[in-house]
Amino acid sequence: DAKTTQPNSMESNEEEPVHLPCNHSTISGTDYIHWYRQLPSQGPEYVIHGLTSNVNNRMASLAIAEDRKSSTLILHRATLRDAAVYYCILRAHNAGNMLTFGGGTRLMVKP
Amino acid sequence: DAGITQSPRHKVTETGTPVTLRCHQTENHRYMYWYRQDPGHGLRLIHYSYGVKDTDKGEVSDGYSVSRSKTEDFLLTLESATSSQTSVYFCAISESRGGNEKLFFGSGTQLSVL
Repeated sequence: DAKTTQPNSMESNEEEPVHLPCNHSTISGTDYIHWYRQLPSQGPEYVIHGLTSNVNNRMASLAIAEDRKSSTLILHRATLRDAAVYYCILRAHNAGNMLTFGGGTRLMVKP
Repeated sequence: DAGITQSPRHKVTETGTPVTLRCHQTENHRYMYWYRQDPGHGLRLIHYSYGVKDTDKGEVSDGYSVSRSKTEDFLLTLESATSSQTSVYFCAISESRGGNEKLFFGSGTQLSVL
């Protein structure tokens, strides 16, 4: 799987939007962009994924750059419960079975 | 939430003893995975299964074995535990495999080998 680059940490205020960036300049045409998050003392949790178009679900929105070399996870109104490590991962359509989690971004939410 | 149960949640054992961790799912998903998470290494795949009695090695399989005799259960065995196997172990399941899959994770097992 191609490599992604994320900031180590970010801070946000409660009830404000949060934009978590991810760079993936070596992405290939068949790579899906996945986001997972991991709350303290829990297993990772699927958030959202997309291929080319922007995606929305009940948890977040995923904005994908036109050249697909970067993407942004958008939490529309951060809550204290959103404090977690967020992982951006690329998965090829014919990927093997190793979902590789990098360092991720630690999001801190201030009341 | 996906129906995944890991047991035990915490385990302390001594070097050289065998240990078995259990993952149980109620989703009838075909694929099951065992990962370990260590500081500085993220999550690393140990073994995975793509069906009953069908398993394969992952990135860090040495010292571990797995079995899957039923769709719902995936067992991870440390034949002779070592201190380097102290870690948090996560089980995951997915309905499909490849770029469009979604993995659902259990809550983890904290294993300490003394």
